[in-house]
Amino acid sequence: EPEVTQTPSHQVTQMGQEVILRCVPISNHLYFYWYRQILGQKVEFLVSFYNNEISEKSEIFDDQFSVERPDGSNFTLKIRSTKLEDSAMYFCASIQGTGSYGYTFGSGTRLTIV
Amino acid sequence: ILNVEQSPQSLHVQEGDSTNFTCSFPSSNFYALHWYRWETAKSPEALFVMTLNGDEKKKGRISATLNTKEGYSYLYIKGSQPEDSATYLCAVYNTDKLIFGTGTRLQVFP
Repeated sequence: EPEVTQTPSHQVTQMGQEVILRCVPISNHLYFYWYRQILGQKVEFLVSFYNNEISEKSEIFDDQFSVERPDGSNFTLKIRSTKLEDSAMYFCASIQGTGSYGYTFGSGTRLTIV
Repeated sequence: ILNVEQSPQSLHVQEGDSTNFTCSFPSSNFYALHWYRWETAKSPEALFVMTLNGDEKKKGRISATLNTKEGYSYLYIKGSQPEDSATYLCAVYNTDKLIFGTGTRLQVFP
C-alpha cells in the first residue's frame, strides 16, 4: 500500500535555528497538508497546498513558516527562528481529491526545540 | 471557530468487551466526518469517511454511524482485542482542512 514518508522521525534543534521537515506524499495525490500536535493538545491544521501553491493556512502558519514542493515529489515545511512552543509532532498528509477521501498521513516528525 | 469534541478521553476495557465512543460537532455547514485510528509511533490510519445523515459504515469489528442533524457520530468496536488499543480520532472536514477532536485513547487488556 502506498505510504507518505516523513524524515527525520526525530529532530532536536536549538531555539532560534531553522529546521526543515521533509515529506514524500503519494505520487498521484494532488492535495498536501501539514498538521501538528503539541503534546496533550488536539491535532491542528497548519497549511494546505494544491497546484504548487498554498490553498489555505491557519493562524499558526505565520511568516515563521513556509512550505515548498521543490522537485515534484518532496514537500517540505521550513520553520525559521524556532521557538520552544514549536515543539510538537508534525504530520504530513496527502489526498487524491477532496474531503470525502480519507487522508493518508505520514508517521510524523517529533520536533523538540531546546 | 468550529469545535469537535470526543468522549470519553480514555477508556480501559477487557478483551472481548464491546465499546463505543462519541464525536460531536456543529451540525451547520457539514460536509464530511472522518475517523482515524492512531497507534503509537505509527501514522494515523483512515477508518471511515462519512458524509450522509444516517450513514453507517463497517470494517470488520469496527463500525460507525453519523447523525448530521444533531451533530454526532458513534464509533463501535465489537469484541475488543488487545490490537485495537490505539487513539481514535474524529475530524470534521471544513473548507480544505480537517478539524480534529481530542481523541479517545483505548486500552484493551488481555
